[in-house]
Amino acid sequence: GAGVSQSPRYKVAKRGQDVALRCDPISGHVSLFWYQQALGQGPEFLTYFQNEAQLDKSGLPSDRFFAERPEGSVSTLKIQRTQQEDSAVYLCASSSRDHSGNTIYFGEGSWLTVV
Amino acid sequence: KQEVTQIPAALSVPEGENLVLNCSFTDSAIYNLQWFRQDPGKGLTSLLLIQSSQREQTSGRLNASLDKSSGRSTLYIAASQPGDSATYLCAVTSGYSTLTFGKGTMLLVSP
Repeated sequence: GAGVSQSPRYKVAKRGQDVALRCDPISGHVSLFWYQQALGQGPEFLTYFQNEAQLDKSGLPSDRFFAERPEGSVSTLKIQRTQQEDSAVYLCASSSRDHSGNTIYFGEGSWLTVV
Repeated sequence: KQEVTQIPAALSVPEGENLVLNCSFTDSAIYNLQWFRQDPGKGLTSLLLIQSSQREQTSGRLNASLDKSSGRSTLYIAASQPGDSATYLCAVTSGYSTLTFGKGTMLLVSP
């Protein structure tokens, strides 16, 4: 596609509900990243995929957070038993390789509000 | 742990002014530094990427410098315009996967 596409753009979840956020990276991009951005803060790293392999998940805040990219293209970030502190914008990004020399492209984010 | 600080947190200037945004980072062992722009309700757009071996990059009215040894970068915007109003984020890459961001500088350019 022309850019990184994320869905849903907005999600309101009741506390305790499970949510799934989808990311369609730019076609052919090997690397895919998830970031969490709280209001007034910079994005914080959650996890990184190279093709279908999850190479780094050190930023996932708890075991309620799970990400997958089974076929090396679309990725899903799942949050189980959502809590109010999970309210944030979840940004997906992709690049043709890793960060070291290539431009990274961000989607517009999925805005999650937990009530 | 890498920490990135941006100063000022917010800046308001009249149209036409030249301005400088500052970024500092605690660990100089970086691969690169990037400046991003974020408009309200939108994702991030990469403006400039400076490799660790470079000193500066330029794109149009934007110029970014990097002093890796002192852990500092500046983004210079010449002849600011109302359309430049946005949040500007600085981020460093310390590993193959992790971008560490500052909290951003919110810029308002008034006509």
